[in-house]
Amino acid sequence: DTGVSQDPRHKITKRGQNVTFRCDPISEHNRLYWYRQTLGQGPEFLTYFQNEAQLEKSRLLSDRFSAERPKGSFSTLEIQRTEQGDSAMYLCASSRDRVLTDTQYFGPGTRLTVL
Amino acid sequence: DAKTTQPPSMDCAEGRAANLPCNHSTISGNEYVYWYRQIHSQGPQYIIHGLKNNETNEMASLIITEDRKSSTLILPHATLRDTAVYYCIAGRSNDYKLSFGAGTTVTVRA
Repeated sequence: DTGVSQDPRHKITKRGQNVTFRCDPISEHNRLYWYRQTLGQGPEFLTYFQNEAQLEKSRLLSDRFSAERPKGSFSTLEIQRTEQGDSAMYLCASSRDRVLTDTQYFGPGTRLTVL
Repeated sequence: DAKTTQPPSMDCAEGRAANLPCNHSTISGNEYVYWYRQIHSQGPQYIIHGLKNNETNEMASLIITEDRKSSTLILPHATLRDTAVYYCIAGRSNDYKLSFGAGTTVTVRA
């Protein structure tokens, strides 16, 4: 178990630029989640995948956000035309099954700063 | 999901038990209580969860009141490495997303 990894750990970009983050889940986990966390707040759910299928997207996920999980392995989260309000920590988690009682394992996060 | 209420912060002494309260007065019968913690600059880490009975694992104990309206997470012998934000979450077992609140910032002091 090598844990959930995320890349990059930090990203600084200028407003209006596009950014892409990558998440590699624990290998046997078929569920993958994205959360966003702003300073002083708990993480907020963005979206999740069951294998390669994206099954739900939060209303927080505007049209500028898109997530993919090709072949049910790693996942990418892209933000187009970034805004200063997008500055946050983006967390990825994975779990084995569809039920909440199965522990979600979180990665270290990608901290995005939009100037 | 039921809303949970936690104190914003608390201190405890190293080596002593830390008792973290959580109120979830609107919890429904099929909602579990989950605890996660987040150490600074890391992702959240699962601690424990329970439905009705008290639970214990290598990290902590979870005490749920008989009416299930509140619970307490107990760290039996707090260490400096237990300094973190602790989140109490109520959720159904067939749900898939965690609804975090602001949590309790626990500072363990030497």
